[in-house]
Amino acid sequence: AQSVTQLGSHVSVSEGALVLLRCNYSSSVPPYLFWYVQYPNQGLQLLLKYTTGATLVKGINGFEAEFKKSETSFHLTKPSAHMSDAAEYFCAVSDRTGNQFYFGTGTSLTVIP
Amino acid sequence: GAGVSQSPSNKVTEKGKDVELRCDPISGHTALYWYRQRLGQGLEFLIYFQGNSAPDKSGLPSDRFSAERTGESVSTLTIQRTQQEDSAVYLCASSVMPGPLNTEAFFGQGTRLTVV
Repeated sequence: AQSVTQLGSHVSVSEGALVLLRCNYSSSVPPYLFWYVQYPNQGLQLLLKYTTGATLVKGINGFEAEFKKSETSFHLTKPSAHMSDAAEYFCAVSDRTGNQFYFGTGTSLTVIP
Repeated sequence: GAGVSQSPSNKVTEKGKDVELRCDPISGHTALYWYRQRLGQGLEFLIYFQGNSAPDKSGLPSDRFSAERTGESVSTLTIQRTQQEDSAVYLCASSVMPGPLNTEAFFGQGTRLTVV
């Protein structure tokens, strides 16, 4: 079975500062990896995904994530936080059969003016 | 439809009543997933459908929970004899197909269930 661990249920950064949200997974085979964002009172929206190819993946709103197989990690970063980035962020993995999506418990990002 | 649609968006029910939650996936999406999100918590997998079949029901919390899907389209999640601990947002997602060509899951806005 796969699992996803998001370190830090709450992260606060100042506006303009680097955003780093951590995600580690456990899987015997490199899975597909995803980051979703949930703005207040809205559904989950895909930020970015890794399936194959380049390990540095760019997504919407200036976010990117790097798949590091040796570290079984898929951390999400953004060079400069904006107030509109305040939301809940979920890391997810699916195995290569696509039969299941496993989600982390989420990280709530607060951006301080 | 353009996206995953869930109804109702909000449901308040009395303890002990049965409720039905509906999900209309994106047309052509063969895989459909139900998740539960309790306040302040992550997504808890409930069940997934491949077509009209549910190969994995392992996440259903109890026998009060059931789900079905017809016509490889609409799915209904039924909770019988609701309890206060069932209060949560129930999220539905669909994806094109399970397998090597799998892409991301697209989520609906959820149904917020409150059991009083």
